[in-house]
Parts: sequence; C-alpha cells; structure tokens
Amino acid sequence: GAVVSQHPSRVICKSGTSVKIECRSLDFQATTMFWYRQFPKQSLMLMATSNEGSKATYEQGVEKDKFLINHASLTLSTLTVTSAHPEDSSFYICSARLTGDSNGYTFGSGTRLTVV
Amino acid sequence: QKEVEQDPGPLSVPEGAIVSLNCTYSNSAFQYFMWYRQYSRKGPELLMYTYSSGNKEDGRFTAQVDKSSKYISLFIRDSQPSDSATYLCAMFSGGYNKLIFGAGTRLAVHP
Repeated sequence: GAVVSQHPSRVICKSGTSVKIECRSLDFQATTMFWYRQFPKQSLMLMATSNEGSKATYEQGVEKDKFLINHASLTLSTLTVTSAHPEDSSFYICSARLTGDSNGYTFGSGTRLTVV
Repeated sequence: QKEVEQDPGPLSVPEGAIVSLNCTYSNSAFQYFMWYRQYSRKGPELLMYTYSSGNKEDGRFTAQVDKSSKYISLFIRDSQPSDSATYLCAMFSGGYNKLIFGAGTRLAVHP
C-alpha cells in the first residue's frame, strides 16, 4: 500500500524561529498532498492543499504567509512554520492519495511541534 | 450543523465485546467513506475504505454504508485492549476533493 513518510516526528523550537516539516510519498507520485493540524483531543483540521508545481490552496483562516507550503516534486511537500509562536504548538500531519477510486488517503506519522 | 457528526465518546467496553461506531453526514455528494484508527501522538491509520453503499469486512472489522440514510458504521468484533484508540470517520466526494472528518470517538477496551 501507499506509504507517506513525515519528518521530523518531534521538534522543539524557540519562539520567533522557523521550522520545516517534510512529507514524502514513498513508491508513488503524489501530485496533491494535504496538510492538517490537530490539537489535543480534537479532530484533524485541514490547513491547505499542496499541488505539485503550483501554489497551495489554503483553508479559510489559515495564514499563508505563516505556513509556507512548497511542493517542488511529485514525491515531496514541505510545510514551513515561519516566526513560530507558542500558539503554533500542535500536531501537524500530511496526507496523500494514490490515484484510482480504490484508494483512500494515507497519512504520515505526524510532527509534534512545541514552540517555547 | 457540521457536515459529519460523530459522537466523541469516550466509549469504554470490556475485552471481547462488539463495538459499534457511527457517523452521520449531510452532504449527499459524499461517495467515498473511510474509517481511521489513531493512537495517541500518531498519524491516522486507514482501517476501512468503502465506495458508495454496502458492507465491507476485513478480519474483525466490518464497515457499513447506508447512503439513503447518510449513515455509516464500523463494527469491531472480539475487541482487544490494543483496539483502544480514537476512531475517525472520514469521507469525500471523489477525485482529490477535501477529506471531511468526524470528531473522532475515543474507545477504551479494558481487560
């Protein structure tokens, strides 16, 4: 089945710094990837849709200048949290889907970001 | 009204019990339905994936979709303590359209 690899699994950074999270599709090409944020005991909230070779589409209320998404290749999408603040501390998860109606969405293992 | 409604629980059952998890939805365009299991601090793991109405079975898990009632279910037979996790229903209308999640139900299976 499809595997999505996400790194790092955990990161702690100082307030004001930037953090980059990588999401790779293994053994398949993902023209579209999705980035979610999840707060404790809450469901996943879609932040943006990442499209290879074009600008990401952000959900309402998500600051595109703060959460920079780059999808430079068919197997790699990155999310950069710029000028991170403690309120950005959360669990970030990426997702991709193999083409074809028989395939659902596969998720990465998530990145726990703590901003101190 | 949320597009997908799911009781967050928590749901506590004894080992060996049959567990029934449910979601209702309002958007009739949804055609693809999924159940994910998420352990604490981990990414969601795809358990079941169904297209349109009907049943699908995989080991101890059975997924049911009733599009006429806009109601989906996940049954877990012979539940085990290792099944303790949060179960999320999710659905989308096709292509690369957005996946819409339920709130997730926290399940605890005690020995």
